[in-house]
Amino acid sequence: AQKVTQAQTEISVVEKEDVTLDCVYETRDTTYYLFWYKQPPSGELVFLIRRNSFDEQNEISGRYSWNFQKSTSSFNFTITASQVVDSAVYFCALSEDPGTSYGKLTFGQGTILTVHP
Amino acid sequence: DVKVTQSSRYLVKRTGEKVFLECVQDMDHENMFWYRQDPGLGLRLIYFSYDVKMKEKGDIPEGYSVSREKKERFSLILESASTNQTSMYLCASRRLRGVPNEKLFFGSGTQLSVL
Repeated sequence: AQKVTQAQTEISVVEKEDVTLDCVYETRDTTYYLFWYKQPPSGELVFLIRRNSFDEQNEISGRYSWNFQKSTSSFNFTITASQVVDSAVYFCALSEDPGTSYGKLTFGQGTILTVHP
Repeated sequence: DVKVTQSSRYLVKRTGEKVFLECVQDMDHENMFWYRQDPGLGLRLIYFSYDVKMKEKGDIPEGYSVSREKKERFSLILESASTNQTSMYLCASRRLRGVPNEKLFFGSGTQLSVL
C-alpha cells in the first residue's frame, strides 16, 4: 500500500522568509509519480509539479524548488522569499504504477502555510 | 483550461436523507474522481471512474455510491446521510486512464453539513 506523510501540520512565517515543506512517501513500486498541489482559500486545488521516480533531478520554477531524494523517500518543496499570496494548504501526492492502480493518487495530510506581512 | 464544476458550494442536509453531489467536466476526460477532505486527514479517495458506467472503489467507499451515465458527469450519492459524512467533497478529472503522470483537475468543492 502506498502512503504519503506530511509531518508539518501548520507552518507560519513572515514575508520574505524561505520555507520548506516536507513530504515522505512509502511505496513498493519501482515506478511511481509524485505531485505537489496548492489549495488557496478559494478551495480549488492547483497543480504545481509532477516528478517521475526515475528522474531525481531537482527542479526550480521561479521562487519554487523541489528536492527529490529516492534514498530517503522524500520530495520536499521550498518557497524562497515567501509572499502573502503563498498562504495556502499544500498537498503532496503519490501515484503508483498504472498497471496496478489505474493511477490512483494518494494524498498526504496537507500542510497549512501562513505567510504574514 | 479544463473546467470541473461542482453543482453546489455549500449544502445542508438532515440525517437519513439521500444526497446527490454532481460534478461536470468539459474536456472529455476519461477519468473522474471523488475525494473527501477532512482536517488532519488530507484528501481521501471515495470512488473513481475510468470510463462511462465503469467505477472503482477508493479507500473509503462505505456509505457512498456513484453514477456515471455520461462521460462528462460523475455523481456521488449518499444513500442515507449520516453526521460523520459532514465534510468537504472534491471532484477531479484527468485526460487519460492508466497514465498516472497526468495531473488531476479539481473542482472548487462542496462543503456538506449533515445535521
